[in-house]
Amino acid sequence: LAKTTQPISMDSYEGQEVNITCSHNNIATNDYITWYQQFPSQGPRFIIQGYKTKVTNEVASLFIPADRKSSTLSLPRVSLSDTAVYYCLVGSNQAGTALIFGKGTTLSVSS
Amino acid sequence: DAGVTQSPTHLIKTRGQQVTLRCSPKSGHDTVSWYQQALGQGPQFIFQYYEEEERQRGNFPDRFSGHQYPNYSSELNVNALLLGDSALYLCASSFGRGQRTNEKLFFGSGTQLSVL
Repeated sequence: LAKTTQPISMDSYEGQEVNITCSHNNIATNDYITWYQQFPSQGPRFIIQGYKTKVTNEVASLFIPADRKSSTLSLPRVSLSDTAVYYCLVGSNQAGTALIFGKGTTLSVSS
Repeated sequence: DAGVTQSPTHLIKTRGQQVTLRCSPKSGHDTVSWYQQALGQGPQFIFQYYEEEERQRGNFPDRFSGHQYPNYSSELNVNALLLGDSALYLCASSFGRGQRTNEKLFFGSGTQLSVL
């Protein structure tokens, strides 16, 4: 499984755009990139998933360059409620493998 | 549509005891994965069940065992509890026939286990 590297923590203010970059140098051809959000005492929640280029949904955008060795989660106009831990995962659809979480990025949003 | 439900929400045990945690997957999901999350750490993969069989296992000792029932619900059993087993135990369900790891995982809120 590809190993991912993310910043341990990030700080932001309400209304700003936040970009969290994840490095996955050993990503395999069949791997997807998935981001989860976790609040204290809750299970992680799916945010967005992509394979290449750009994916956008109602809460975030995911940018993936052509070499796919990194990805950037973009959160537009964050609010206090976006304070959470964000995990970048890289997964394969090979049988017998499971999604492995790293330590994630703790995002703190202040007013 | 109910999501993933776990029970109990909190549990206190003493060293050496045994514990059983339960999980009901999201409707329509057939695969259940269990994770252990220590304070300040990311979730650590314990094992995954599909078709009532353990299909994948992480680096956890045999004290950790599980079961999946025909209705896809699952149990996590931990024997001979150690202080270090204190953690949030998360259950995640997905639909992927136990094979596709790019399937979205849907997590429950977890069971907070404290071992004294």
